[in-house]
Amino acid sequence: AAGVIQSPRHLIKEKRETATLKCYPIPRHDTVYWYQQGPGQDPQFLISFYEKMQSDKGSIPDRFSAQQFSDYHSELNMSSLELGDSALYFCASSFGRDQPQHFGDGTRLSIL
Amino acid sequence: AQTVTQSQPEMSVQEAETVTLSCTYDTSENNYYLFWYKQPPSRQMILVIRQEAYKQQNATENRFSVNFQKAAKSFSLKISDSQLGDTAMYFCALIQGAQKLVFGQGTRLTINP
Repeated sequence: AAGVIQSPRHLIKEKRETATLKCYPIPRHDTVYWYQQGPGQDPQFLISFYEKMQSDKGSIPDRFSAQQFSDYHSELNMSSLELGDSALYFCASSFGRDQPQHFGDGTRLSIL
Repeated sequence: AQTVTQSQPEMSVQEAETVTLSCTYDTSENNYYLFWYKQPPSRQMILVIRQEAYKQQNATENRFSVNFQKAAKSFSLKISDSQLGDTAMYFCALIQGAQKLVFGQGTRLTINP
């Protein structure tokens, strides 16, 4: 069965650079979520989209922005990267907002 | 605000034993969902089991079952006949309202041969 696809799997950036993470949800899933998991931490919710509209916002820095496109894929844009942004970034999708969220394999972002 | 607490940072059992992971939560809502996710060393997040708060019957998925005590706001996971592949970090999570997952701190479970 198709799963959530995230790209790239690994990304290395330097401080003050920008990064774009991509997420392709499971076909027919209409809701996309982004989470950030720091080393040894539980995942923290960043932002979500339902039918291409932002539906909820968590602890997402102003330096980050995201959107969901007409084909339902989503991109997380991160600017002025800081050392503390080093983390595993998960995208998850669901069909309807009361259904289980299925996670991608994550993008590991390392800031040098 | 919703909170999820896992009071066992680490657990270790022998293969084939049964193990129970604890989770408590707090929410002011009556309708919500509870989940257990597994994160093996590969760092994937894998859904293990789901429980709807309005259902009294405890969810089961093969060797995995839950003990859902709504009044006590408790949601424990029991793994029967544990296998080496069950070694992972296990996260308890809650969804309500805006549908974002709120995770507990995780329990690192090691299954020893």
